[in-house]
Amino acid sequence: EPEVTQTPSHQVTQMGQEVILRCVPISNHLYFYWYRQILGQKVEFLVSFYNNEISEKSEIFDDQFSVERPDGSNFTLKIRSTKLEDSAMYFCASSLAGTSGSTQYFGPGTRLLVL
Amino acid sequence: AQSVAQPEDQVNVAEGNPLTVKCTYSVSGNPYLFWYVQYPNRGLQFLLKYITGDNLVKGSYGFEAEFNKSQTSFHLKKPSALVSDSALYFCAVRDINRGYGQNFVFGPGTRLSVLP
Repeated sequence: EPEVTQTPSHQVTQMGQEVILRCVPISNHLYFYWYRQILGQKVEFLVSFYNNEISEKSEIFDDQFSVERPDGSNFTLKIRSTKLEDSAMYFCASSLAGTSGSTQYFGPGTRLLVL
Repeated sequence: AQSVAQPEDQVNVAEGNPLTVKCTYSVSGNPYLFWYVQYPNRGLQFLLKYITGDNLVKGSYGFEAEFNKSQTSFHLKKPSALVSDSALYFCAVRDINRGYGQNFVFGPGTRLSVLP
């Protein structure tokens, strides 16, 4: 069964450094998402992406964040200058369609620790 | 604004007994409702969803959920729990009236422990 993959599984970085989290969505999916889960808290939406454009973003997704689909398979989340509060599990998801009833399939996550 | 509540942080049930994990929601329009499960060190796995039609939906691993519009609830159930069902369960909602590329709003999660 096809699945969403994410690399790395764990990332430790110093405050102020840039990090890039990588995701390979399911191959025929067209809509891509990033969510984060701070330890012990709920899963929060960051951004959705379709047709090489951001379709929706949350208040969390400020100018420090950016997303890109650099080629036909990868979908990346970049944090330009990490803060301590960016420490979280970051989940990538993809869906075949973008309608509200479409199932999103999630990757295993990247645990980011900012020191 | 959309919101999801899962009133129980933790549910404990004995193996073989029925289990219920509760979820209530609030949306301005009609909801699409989802359940996901998270095993340790794993991502969120899709269990089932309600879009339209029969209020009782069946999903993976023997789980089912009942949509109750009057009570704005979408409780997850299983007739006979297994120890392997122990995990973190998330309810999520999307508003049917919102456009494409829309995100989920997740509940805080309920940790299910099935005791042997």
